Amino acid sequence: EAQVTQNPRYLITVTGKKLTVTCSQNMNHEYMSWYRQDPGLGLRQIYYSMNVEVTDKGDVPEGYKVSRKEKRNFPLILESPSPNQTSLYFCASSSTGMETQYFGPGTRLLVL
Amino acid sequence: QKEVEQNSGPLSVPEGAIASLNCTYSDRGSQSFFWYRQYSGKSPELIMFIYSNGDKEDGRFTAQLNKASQYVSLLIRDSQPSDSATYLCAVNSRRDQFYFGTGTSLTVIP
Repeated sequence: EAQVTQNPRYLITVTGKKLTVTCSQNMNHEYMSWYRQDPGLGLRQIYYSMNVEVTDKGDVPEGYKVSRKEKRNFPLILESPSPNQTSLYFCASSSTGMETQYFGPGTRLLVL
Repeated sequence: QKEVEQNSGPLSVPEGAIASLNCTYSDRGSQSFFWYRQYSGKSPELIMFIYSNGDKEDGRFTAQLNKASQYVSLLIRDSQPSDSATYLCAVNSRRDQFYFGTGTSLTVIP
């Protein structure tokens, strides 16, 4: 089954404790992306990757890191989480940067 | 100015009516336009995409694109209660970034 998976689905952590949210896709897509979704602000792109070893900042990259060492994986790293990073995070992938994105199930993060 | 703007609603229509959702975008170089549906607590799922000016129909859904006016719309005919959700307009920019509107909440009343 073609899908985008994210782990963990739910995470409660404390300020400053590094965490990684994993994202994996099995569709051989070149383009992968991370979003955060907040009430009233909608979906905002954090980082995106056009291909392996190619990443670019989206609209709200501050406080986040990403890497793309393999085509299928695109982890999101929060080196020192803060409460304002409490949000619902989605990973998405598509064949190219112009085409339909397929979303993972989401990761709900609470930073205390 | 926001990259993508949508009427936040909420929009309520009776079952069987036509629901009209609108979206404007700011980057004239945008090439791809998408409508996603999102149920509460779930991930967005694609309804339609459109690349060229004009109308594109898929079942009960019609997407309309007017690049000169920088306007995208989605019409839902014969609206059903199961169509009740938040509808997200998405646009890709020349830099391959994606921008989403804040969504329009639609309720179809039986």
